Amino acid sequence: DAGVTQSPTHLIKTRGQQVTLRCSPKSGHDTVSWYQQALGQGPQFIFQYYEEEERQRGNFPDRFSGHQFPNYSSELNVNALLLGDSALYLCASSPWDSPLHGYTFGSGTRLTVV
Amino acid sequence: GEDVEQSLFLSVREGDSSVINCTYTDSSSTYLYWYKQEPGAGLQLLTYIFSNMDMKQDQRLTVLLNKKDKHLSLRIADTQTGDSAIYFCAEIRDTGRRALTFGSGTRLQVQP
Repeated sequence: DAGVTQSPTHLIKTRGQQVTLRCSPKSGHDTVSWYQQALGQGPQFIFQYYEEEERQRGNFPDRFSGHQFPNYSSELNVNALLLGDSALYLCASSPWDSPLHGYTFGSGTRLTVV
Repeated sequence: GEDVEQSLFLSVREGDSSVINCTYTDSSSTYLYWYKQEPGAGLQLLTYIFSNMDMKQDQRLTVLLNKKDKHLSLRIADTQTGDSAIYFCAEIRDTGRRALTFGSGTRLQVQP
């Protein structure tokens, strides 16, 4: 049973560019959340998707947007990249009706903005 | 994550017990979690505890919750070199929000 899969694993972009990161949730999970983890920090919540809608959002600018597809997979888009967007981006999945028993995380996408 | 605080570093010898501590400030937190992150990897859920519990044990792991002091601890018995990693305490403050708030992590180094 595959867990949460993310692609790509590493990415280098130039300041001002746009990036799309992808996530496939664990089988049986219908909710996807995205987190940003800067070096030496804990993950910070970006947003959460369920039924193809953004349900909750953390304190991130609207340069960060997302999408969820009918098969529950999700994309995170970041526009107008800044150097400070360099981080590990983690996707987590859970069942909407029982999320509190813990989220399953992917291995992340390491984004470097130069 | 600044409202969840953890010490930065802990070093123990193989075979000893490790205790990783966490304090949180939001009294409405009802679900608390411990995650493990190895180098270059994502987060692995180790265990969780609900606020109506004081203790939870799972094999080598023991979680203690002191709601009065808003203090959570993770004890790892018979620590092994494979336990070397960063450990994150996390909380869900509002069950309606479902978003995890993480501490900055404690790096555990196990010396042979």
